[in-house]
Amino acid sequence: TQLLEQSPQFLSIQEGENLTVYCNSSSVFSSLQWYRQEPGEGPVLLVTVVTGGEVKKLKRLTFQFGDARKDSSLHITAAQPGDTGLYLCAGVVTSGSRLTFGEGTQLTVNP
Amino acid sequence: GAVVSQHPSWVICKSGTSVKIECRSLDFQATTMFWYRQFPKQSLMLMATSNEGSKATYEQGVEKDKFLINHASLTLSTLTVTSAHPEDSSFYICSARGSAGYTDTQYFGPGTRLTVL
Repeated sequence: TQLLEQSPQFLSIQEGENLTVYCNSSSVFSSLQWYRQEPGEGPVLLVTVVTGGEVKKLKRLTFQFGDARKDSSLHITAAQPGDTGLYLCAGVVTSGSRLTFGEGTQLTVNP
Repeated sequence: GAVVSQHPSWVICKSGTSVKIECRSLDFQATTMFWYRQFPKQSLMLMATSNEGSKATYEQGVEKDKFLINHASLTLSTLTVTSAHPEDSSFYICSARGSAGYTDTQYFGPGTRLTVL
């Protein structure tokens, strides 16, 4: 059983469209991170959220941490081909413990 | 800030040889480093966790005698794949957690592509 359920696993959209990626769990997380990874490279940290209900924005990306700290979402507005990549959510249940990864969302934005 | 490097970025070796991969935190002290393996189009699979100066903790199913991990300092951890075989071919990624950013945030290296012939 996957501790962090990430959906969708694959997403192919046209340039200019909006999209949302979800990360859900029955467990409470002390913090949750979102990463973006391109082929042949390591994951790059986008954001860390730690407070229930927290919303963080990074240009066209909006990250939300659920009030109960069990879920998170990533919303991209007006997607561009440069947004193409593997998006990974990862959470820490207890501070100091290991990261638990979601299965990843492979996003393709077509020009 | 919070940069993690890996060396080499790719390596090709013959079956039966050993390969060492280095992971360095360049601008912060990493009290804990992690080693992951990743297959194409899949998420990361944790292999082991290492704390500076102590033995690594391996995940279930990972052979500690095959994947030797040494966390010699607060900025360096190494993974040695001993007697490599073609099934060990994969993308290996390290990450570091420590004095940079939030306590639990991990910063990842760029990965090492290992191909065993």
